[in-house]
Amino acid sequence: SAVISQKPSRDICQRGTSLTIQCQVDSQVTMMFWYRQQPGQSLTLIATANQGSEATYESGFVIDKFPISRPNLTFSTLTVSNMSPEDSSIYLCSVEVLARTGELFFGEGSRLTVL
Amino acid sequence: SQQGEEDPQALSIQEGENATMNCSYKTSINNLQWYRQNSGRGLVHLILIRSNEREKHSGRLRVTLDTSKKSSSLLITASRAADTASYFCATRDAGGTSYGKLTFGQGTILTVHP
Repeated sequence: SAVISQKPSRDICQRGTSLTIQCQVDSQVTMMFWYRQQPGQSLTLIATANQGSEATYESGFVIDKFPISRPNLTFSTLTVSNMSPEDSSIYLCSVEVLARTGELFFGEGSRLTVL
Repeated sequence: SQQGEEDPQALSIQEGENATMNCSYKTSINNLQWYRQNSGRGLVHLILIRSNEREKHSGRLRVTLDTSKKSSSLLITASRAADTASYFCATRDAGGTSYGKLTFGQGTILTVHP
């Protein structure tokens, strides 16, 4: 199992600003995953954060909008840049429980509201 | 297109009744998983069923998988008010190289009345 802490848990942001979300895991993990959940919607994978290499982004998500850092095996950040109201979502950090199964542990999420 | 369509979108039952949620998907999968999300919280993994399995049990949960129909169902028996949450199915594609990439369904909102 893994305990995942995300900060902030929620925030209200102004249009055009950027916000960085932090994700801390209580154990070393190779890959960390960032998902987005838009209001009333399902989850969509934004990117996979690998330690020591560039993040891998899914179709529709770009590094300029969602830069990711992964400085070590227990920590990652996701920045939502130049925010617009359409970025209002819950952003969730997750890690794999058992290697190669895709079974994920999730943080509590960061709920962003962009005005 | 969205893989993992679930029905019903919302389900309201009384405590003690059984709740059944269904999930359909479009591609070949390695496994299918069910997650629960309490309001405003993160997701909690419930159960995983592999593509070569047909049925799996965990406590009050029973999951079935029919790969010929590309569908799965989650049965919660003897429901409790604490089971009130959103339930999502998620699939991991066969041959996928990103092990954490899951495709989530739209979810079923379950309300269990005391």
